[in-house]
Amino acid sequence: QSVLTQPPSASGTPGQRVTISCSGSTSNIEGNFVYWYQQLPGTAPKLLVYKNNQRPSGVPDRFSGSKSGTSASLAISGLRSEDEADYYCAAWDDSLSGCVFGSGTKVTVL
Amino acid sequence: EVQLVESGGGLVQPGGSLRLSCAASGFNFSDYWMHWVRQAPGKGLVWVSRIKSDGTTTTYADSVKGRFTISRDNAKNILHLQMRSLRAEDTAVYYCARARVTYYYGLDVWGQGTTVTVSS
Repeated sequence: QSVLTQPPSASGTPGQRVTISCSGSTSNIEGNFVYWYQQLPGTAPKLLVYKNNQRPSGVPDRFSGSKSGTSASLAISGLRSEDEADYYCAAWDDSLSGCVFGSGTKVTVL
Repeated sequence: EVQLVESGGGLVQPGGSLRLSCAASGFNFSDYWMHWVRQAPGKGLVWVSRIKSDGTTTTYADSVKGRFTISRDNAKNILHLQMRSLRAEDTAVYYCARARVTYYYGLDVWGQGTTVTVSS
């Protein structure tokens, strides 16, 4: 069971906006930065968002992250077929003294 | 080209040992913290361990503490994960990843993964 909780699935039609939630606690999300990773089928994960809402160079601005208290979210606007992937949130956990990942959300483009 | 290439995976019996390696190229390896992350078949990502750029600090997930050892050879640009007392639940694809300071230690470069199967 993952320390960070995400919905198992989310979906939308091309062009729509999809939001993925990530619920944690005071020992992880509230006191530390949140990261988001995208994992396309059969490939290694890719860093999508760092420091709650910052995008690495090359990541489209269709992807945006936010954080409030013990929760975070990733929004994908203008959904495209190539966005079909698994998305994971992550944060450092002070109680565990380790990094924790969310359970993952599979995004389907209908 | 910035690249991480894992090797050393394979089939091992429960209780056995395995040593994974991750060869880094295209960047100054000794400047970066490095991590191991694993993914069991059909499951999500699970963080395993990390090591400081100079090798002086290591951290482990509770599930592997006392059984796994992370190390690095900055002269050879190689990261290692020594795994002992392996269990069926250690079966996974193991990824090495680089933590980038400018991305607040987000894992910005990942290897392709190496598969470890623990089974009799």
